[in-house]
Amino acid sequence: DAGITQSPRHKVTETGTPVTLRCHQTENHRYMYWYRQDPGHGLRLIHYSYGVKDTDKGEVSDGYSVSRSKTEDFLLTLESATSSQTSVYFCAISEPAGHLKGTDTQYFGPGTRLTVL
Amino acid sequence: AQKITQTQPGMFVQEKEAVTLDCTYDTSDPSYGLFWYKQPSSGEMIFLIYQGSYDQQNATEGRYSLNFQKARKSANLVISASQLGDSAMYFCAIRGLQGAQKLVFGQGTRLTINP
Repeated sequence: DAGITQSPRHKVTETGTPVTLRCHQTENHRYMYWYRQDPGHGLRLIHYSYGVKDTDKGEVSDGYSVSRSKTEDFLLTLESATSSQTSVYFCAISEPAGHLKGTDTQYFGPGTRLTVL
Repeated sequence: AQKITQTQPGMFVQEKEAVTLDCTYDTSDPSYGLFWYKQPSSGEMIFLIYQGSYDQQNATEGRYSLNFQKARKSANLVISASQLGDSAMYFCAIRGLQGAQKLVFGQGTRLTINP
């Protein structure tokens, strides 16, 4: 158990509304990631963070923004949700190799199912 | 750029048989890591096994082993003595070992274990 929680776990919203998803970790991991999972595409990286206030774009970042004001929290915001953003969103953590045992690995949160009507 | 190809969208196996899930990859990174994850119907992503490109031996974790053939750019997952609980989606993923360690996933293989 990597101590990762996501909230909310399920959300239904309407097109054009802002949505924020939260990822919270309890073990002081440096790296955090947001992925989306869609049928036929596996998981794709949206944004990631390599420290407080340090973030960068992933493969599918258009329409999303992130913030990390504290080590333990990584927020994903959809400024104006669209139906194409209906997906399952996963948060993940990792540590750079060599710091702790087993840290070459990304561990995932339970996921958030988002439906945009 | 990195890419993972999983050519088996679905597989059906009898309980207690061994099963091999295929994964081929492409990368320009000189050093990289390969991962397998399991996603049961409940939806969580469960880490199974990791193989570093520099590792001389194939990785093993209990009933899971990774058949790593670097020259062929393949990293197949082998599950020995399959169980009903092994029924799930399985994803292969790759990342470089420098920088942010972003994972690139394949599309997955749905494994069904029949009693």
